[in-house]
Amino acid sequence: EVQLVQSGPELKKPGESLNISCQASGYKFNKYWIGWVRQLPGKGLEWMGVVYPGDSDTRYSPSFQGQVTISADRSTNTAYLQWSSLKASATAMYFCARHRRGVTTNRFDYYYMDVWGKGTTVIVSS
Amino acid sequence: SSELTQDPSVSVALGQTVKITCQGDSLRNCYATWYQQKPGQAPVLVIYGEDNRPSGIPDRFSGSNSGDTASLTITGAQAEDEGDYYCVSRDTIDNQYVFGSGTKVTVL
Repeated sequence: EVQLVQSGPELKKPGESLNISCQASGYKFNKYWIGWVRQLPGKGLEWMGVVYPGDSDTRYSPSFQGQVTISADRSTNTAYLQWSSLKASATAMYFCARHRRGVTTNRFDYYYMDVWGKGTTVIVSS
Repeated sequence: SSELTQDPSVSVALGQTVKITCQGDSLRNCYATWYQQKPGQAPVLVIYGEDNRPSGIPDRFSGSNSGDTASLTITGAQAEDEGDYYCVSRDTIDNQYVFGSGTKVTVL
């Protein structure tokens, strides 16, 4: 069974560092992009960025570039989302998701996230 | 980066049909993908590609794409179809994924 298992909830103070994880199983971790999606309380979904574990190529949304670091460890089939100095505005639910690409019969691209973790709640409060 | 616009909410009578739309320039080059999210849960993929449903998604869900607009149709809506629905696409210019603003579906 293909699944992504995320680390547990976190309660942190502003300025602290944090590393949340997403462990993959049931597929070849190196062969698929894996990324992160943020959901602020009561709000919609926001794409943060992705990493390709095969070569560690990483892409970020401009909204999150420089704010977080996305990485992957092939030895443990785990993707990470890291903050070096948290702000209260980071309080949110974070989902990891496997990213895939396809092409339709009329040659249109489509991109989708087919497997999702259950989410990690991060609360940043003094 | 581009944006995807969705109506904030829509309601449908039990057993009737509802269409949710998603509009944005990125859809001219990239088909939308649709997700359902219920409170406190992770999003669930419901439609991808031309009109593909993952295993376990009922065939009352269907999708279409034309020009800058994508649509998700629920034919014969059920109470369990209530939730938030998001479209997603990828801007081929800056290679950024973008989520729609979401549509809350209420089944009356």
